[in-house]
Amino acid sequence: QVHLQESGPGLVKPSETLSLSCAVSGYSISGGYYWGWIRQPPGKGLEWIGGINHSGSTYYNPSLKSRVSISGDTSTSHFSLNLMSVTAADTAVYYCARIMPAGGGYYFDYWGQGTLVTVSS
Amino acid sequence: EIVLTQSPGTLSLSPGERATLSCRASQSVSSNYLGWYQQKPGLPPRLLIYGASSRATGIPDRFSGSGSGTDFTLTISRLEPEDFAVYFCQQFDSSPPLLTFGPGTKVEIK
Repeated sequence: QVHLQESGPGLVKPSETLSLSCAVSGYSISGGYYWGWIRQPPGKGLEWIGGINHSGSTYYNPSLKSRVSISGDTSTSHFSLNLMSVTAADTAVYYCARIMPAGGGYYFDYWGQGTLVTVSS
Repeated sequence: EIVLTQSPGTLSLSPGERATLSCRASQSVSSNYLGWYQQKPGLPPRLLIYGASSRATGIPDRFSGSGSGTDFTLTISRLEPEDFAVYFCQQFDSSPPLLTFGPGTKVEIK
């Protein structure tokens, strides 16, 4: 069974960098799927942040591209998110997820439980 | 960028009733790259449908997806108590790679 678990600070100051890690078990991140980050502001909808594939290629939401970087470490089966210059608008529950390719499309088939990150001084 | 809208915003139904949820795209969704998710409070979303009409692993057959182009539907044939939740649609656009979600439909107990 694939299991994902987010970790990182729950509170980040404005203008600083939000850094989260996702530990994957039950499947190797070099095994052929994509791995991604999604966020959800409290009481609101879902926003895809970006993803990384098994060979390390990254893809970002254009609306966040200038502030985001995603990296992976196959030796520890972790992948990470860095979001720079955060503001209160970046307060959200952050999820990591496996991205399943199917028939040319991509869908999130396994999710972590999510971690709330609040941006506040 | 393709924008997804969902209707209604809230659907009030009783257990045993049929639920019909709509997802409309601002442009045609490539090759029906459309998925549906269920989310309950405090939990991550769960994939129900991918490719517009294929059920994900372990999803009961009371959930079905249909549609093409710009209009898609999620149908729950007979609502069970555990089906009351928020439902999101999601599409994939390849140029540039972008995954976007609709705003969601809440299915609540009447």
